[in-house]
Amino acid sequence: SAVISQKPSRDICQRGTSLTIQCQVDSQVTMMFWYRQQPGQSLTLIATANQGSEATYESGFVIDKFPISRPNLTFSTLTVSNMSPEDSSIYLCSVEVFYNEQFFGPGTRLTVL
Amino acid sequence: EDKVVQSPLSLVVHEGDTVTLNCSYEVTNFRSLLWYKQEKKAPTFLFMLTSSGIEKKSGRLSSILDKKEPFSILNITATQTGDSAIYLCAAPQANNNDMRFGAGTRLTVKP
Repeated sequence: SAVISQKPSRDICQRGTSLTIQCQVDSQVTMMFWYRQQPGQSLTLIATANQGSEATYESGFVIDKFPISRPNLTFSTLTVSNMSPEDSSIYLCSVEVFYNEQFFGPGTRLTVL
Repeated sequence: EDKVVQSPLSLVVHEGDTVTLNCSYEVTNFRSLLWYKQEKKAPTFLFMLTSSGIEKKSGRLSSILDKKEPFSILNITATQTGDSAIYLCAAPQANNNDMRFGAGTRLTVKP
């Protein structure tokens, strides 16, 4: 498996502001993903973070709201822009270490007031 | 559209009981099914299943896949309070590595 860290682990933010979440992996990985888990819900994929090119977004998620960077094979950021209370969720990054095996970071719990 | 359905959605048992969690799926070009345990924030990987009929085992947990039905079960024997968690199953979708997650089974083990 891989060791994955995320920062911050939690934050409370004001409506209209933006928050950038960092995901760091201890080894180079090709595939990195960002998920959202809203209260009481299962995980929903936001996007695949592609190294050297724009992220691939799932239906219902757009780059203006969730810009993603992937400058190298060990690091990615997800920004939640112009936040509203509906963005309160746990945000998780994951990496694919072996074929189809995804491992998750510890998550970032975001509360928007 | 690919989908993953878990049952039951919640389950309450007492320590020492054995539980079986179910996961059925409809995935085009099936490749694998994964089980995760989620206690606080992050899901922890448990098993990946690719072949029918081959049981994977880790301590008191075991899982098996039936591609014909298709479904998978996760068994936990001699449950402990530390097994209390949400158990998620997931399957990669057809044309990419994106995971489709089930809604999860919330397991509560009472002392």
